[in-house]
Amino acid sequence: QTVVTQEPSLTVSPGGTVTLTCASSTGAVTSGHYPNWFQQKPGQAPRALIYSTNNKHSWTPARFSGSLLGGKAALTLSGVQPEDEAEYYCLLYYGGARVFGGGTKLTVL
Amino acid sequence: EVQLLESGGGLVQPGGSLRLSCAASGFTFSTYAMSWVRQAPGKGLEWVSTFGGSGGGTYYADSVKGRFTISRDTSKNTLYLQMNSLRAEDTAVYYCAKTMGRIDVDHWGQGTLVTVSS
Repeated sequence: QTVVTQEPSLTVSPGGTVTLTCASSTGAVTSGHYPNWFQQKPGQAPRALIYSTNNKHSWTPARFSGSLLGGKAALTLSGVQPEDEAEYYCLLYYGGARVFGGGTKLTVL
Repeated sequence: EVQLLESGGGLVQPGGSLRLSCAASGFTFSTYAMSWVRQAPGKGLEWVSTFGGSGGGTYYADSVKGRFTISRDTSKNTLYLQMNSLRAEDTAVYYCAKTMGRIDVDHWGQGTLVTVSS
């Protein structure tokens, strides 16, 4: 069974920079996994942020960026805002099946 | 504007069945792969199933394979999830999600709650 691992929690100061990562139990994450990133706030549906590793949706703030870093998918927030406090999930594609990471709770403090 | 509206959730006994629907609008439904994703209370997101776009194909998580069936009616622009042999661990909010073609997800519905309990 494939497992996708994210940091359970991270804390960042307003205006700071933070990187969330997404690792696959099958090996290095590549562009072929089509990494997607989502933000979810309490009581709300998830919202898409990043697709195919590093592409932003039209509604994604410029401070969010995606990349591959050290064999993992990564989501970097630069100039963090208080409203960025949320749960973040990555999603990886495995040739038909998809697997979500366990999520990272980002606290802005 | 893309809209996804799930319905059909509710309370069902263990071993029972339920059919969820996702009414889609604002895009050419038959062209895009569509997925169901669930979230148990206080837990993370879990991919459940995907129905391929114009190329077809259906995919399931191991946890639901053989019990759940995904389908769509392009004349009604509606995605379905038939859930049989329901278990307590299937209790979750079920979301419908649209892809940008085959894989990348862009839009989500608001979800429908399924509770499996006696």
